[in-house]
Amino acid sequence: EVMLVESGGGLVKPGGSLKLSCAASGFTFSSYAMSWVRQTPEKRLEWVATISSGGSYTYYPDSVKGRFTISRDNAKNTLYLQMSSLRSEDTAMYYCARQGYGSSYYFDYWGQGTTLTVSS
Amino acid sequence: DIVLTQSPASLAVSLGQRATISCKASQSVDYDGDSYMNWYQQKPGQPPKLLIYAASNLESGIPARFSGSGSGTDFTLNIHPVEEEDAATYYCQQSNEDPYTFGGGTKLEIK
Repeated sequence: EVMLVESGGGLVKPGGSLKLSCAASGFTFSSYAMSWVRQTPEKRLEWVATISSGGSYTYYPDSVKGRFTISRDNAKNTLYLQMSSLRSEDTAMYYCARQGYGSSYYFDYWGQGTTLTVSS
Repeated sequence: DIVLTQSPASLAVSLGQRATISCKASQSVDYDGDSYMNWYQQKPGQPPKLLIYAASNLESGIPARFSGSGSGTDFTLNIHPVEEEDAATYYCQQSNEDPYTFGGGTKLEIK
């Protein structure tokens, strides 16, 4: 059974930093690209970052580029998201998601999420 | 960025009837004969769940009452016949162009 378990969320002041983790199990982690997707309090879904299976390639939307860094440790089956210069608009539930491909790129498995609140 | 507009924002459908949700993209999400459009279902307190990928392909384990269609900029998710457990919010998502974007969601209520 595919499982993704996020951790590391919390309350951070604006301008602060935080690192999220996602422990993966039930599949060959090193064979899949992985992503972070967030859901705002207004329930809007936003793609945050993607990393290739080997970790060589990373992708970000402009809203987080330069502030967030996605990384992975395939030996530990763990995905990370280092977040810095945090803003109130980064407040959201952060989901780790496995990226699949079959005539489209999609998120086929999601964790339960970890909550980030950015507030003074 | 590709903007995905879902309609309606909410709908109420009687048990056993058909629910139809539309997703319109601000530009084509097709590439090389494939439509990079996916659909997800989200219930309260749960993460999104993949239903349909590449516009019309049913994800493994998803009931056949869910179906997707469309190409280019216009896509549709159909649920027929609707069951009580289908009460949820549905999102479309495109992956043809960076950044990947999601629609605003459609909340389905079962009457």
